Order: sequence, then structure tokens, then C-alpha cells
Amino acid sequence: DSGVTQTPKHLITATGQRVTLRCSPRSGDLSVYWYQQSLDQGLQFLIQYYNGEERAKGNILERFSAQQFPDLHSELNLSSLELGDSALYFCASSVTLAGGPYNEQFFGPGTRLTVL
Amino acid sequence: AQSVTQPDIHITVSEGASLELRCNYSYGATPYLFWYVQSPGQGLQLLLKYFSGDTLVQGIKGFEAEFKRSQSSFNLRKPSVHWSDAAEYFCVCSNDYKLSFGAGTTVTVRA
Repeated sequence: DSGVTQTPKHLITATGQRVTLRCSPRSGDLSVYWYQQSLDQGLQFLIQYYNGEERAKGNILERFSAQQFPDLHSELNLSSLELGDSALYFCASSVTLAGGPYNEQFFGPGTRLTVL
Repeated sequence: AQSVTQPDIHITVSEGASLELRCNYSYGATPYLFWYVQSPGQGLQLLLKYFSGDTLVQGIKGFEAEFKRSQSSFNLRKPSVHWSDAAEYFCVCSNDYKLSFGAGTTVTVRA
């Protein structure tokens, strides 16, 4: 158990809909990262928040957005869903902002999104 | 830009046999390198990491990895595989904030 929790575990929805994925980081971790894992794209970094502020963006679509709240939990909002958005979405957390070897990322169990 | 290549998509190994997973990286500066494991239906768990010093790094679950700068490689090894090692393994390169993942190698362990 990494200490990172994600809800829900599974989500099934229809095209055009909007969903919200939730992540609670490990106690004390200020950085939250979101990743998407799909069969065709592999694991891709989406976005990072640190202490409530967006700090880095990866391959995140404009239909997707995220935020980190004062209690440090984070939500990933996916809108106008398409079939291709079906994937496993991971949240990870780390202690600090800086990367490198001293800032191990701890991953949650993921949310599996299925868009029908 | 950094990138990671894992040449083997799938490896099958007998229980008790040795395992080696290949990883090549491309990064302009000193790389920070990691191996993560993803068991079926689970999240990712860090096996080991390299950032400097000894080129042979020990990790959890009996895994080790060797950093070879001349070959831009960071191969993962385990002397004797257990059935519970069946999983997907990701080699990862890090810069200041972003992890770049390889495509992953799926390991199947046969009895």
C-alpha cells in the first residue's frame, strides 16, 4: 500500500459525458501527478500540482483539467469524453517539488475509465 | 528531450531461472533512472533507483540494476525468478519534474 488513494476504482460512462477522478496523496506529500495509461500510448504524464499550484504540464488534452485543493487532494476532470479516453488513470504523489532521485513518486492503484 | 527504450515487449522465463530486462535511455545530462513494477490490477511500485555513485544498484524483492554510461543502459536483473515476479516492468528516466516511461516489458513466469 503506497498511501495514495484514488476513487473510484472503476468508472463506466458514455461518450460526451464528464467525469471527475479523485486522488488523495500520501500524508505529507505536497506534489501530485496525474498519468494516463492506455494500450496504444503507454504511460503518459499529464499534469503536476504542487501545494495547490499547477507546476508542469505533459500530454494533457484541453478537454481535461485538474486542480489541487487546500487539503492537498487533487481532482482530474475529463469532459466531452471520447472512446479513446478509455484508460487507466494514475495519481502519484511526492514530498517535494523538485524531481530527481530524492523525490520518489508513490503511485495510487489507479482509476479504470471505460467510455462506451 | 529524454526518452527510454525497452526493446523487449514480452519475456517468458521459467521459475528459478535468471531474468534480465533491458533498458536504454537517451538524456543529455546525468540521468536519474528508476525501475518500477506493475502487478496485474495494481499501481506502480518502485523497485530501485540510480542517480550517482556505484553503478550496481540493489533494490527490493531481490532485484538489481546496472548503470552503464558507455552503453546508455540500465538493465534490471534477478538471479532467480519467483512466480510472483510475473508483472509489467517499466524503466523510467527523470528530469526535474517529469518521469518518462519506457513502453514496459511484460514478464511471464512459467512453472
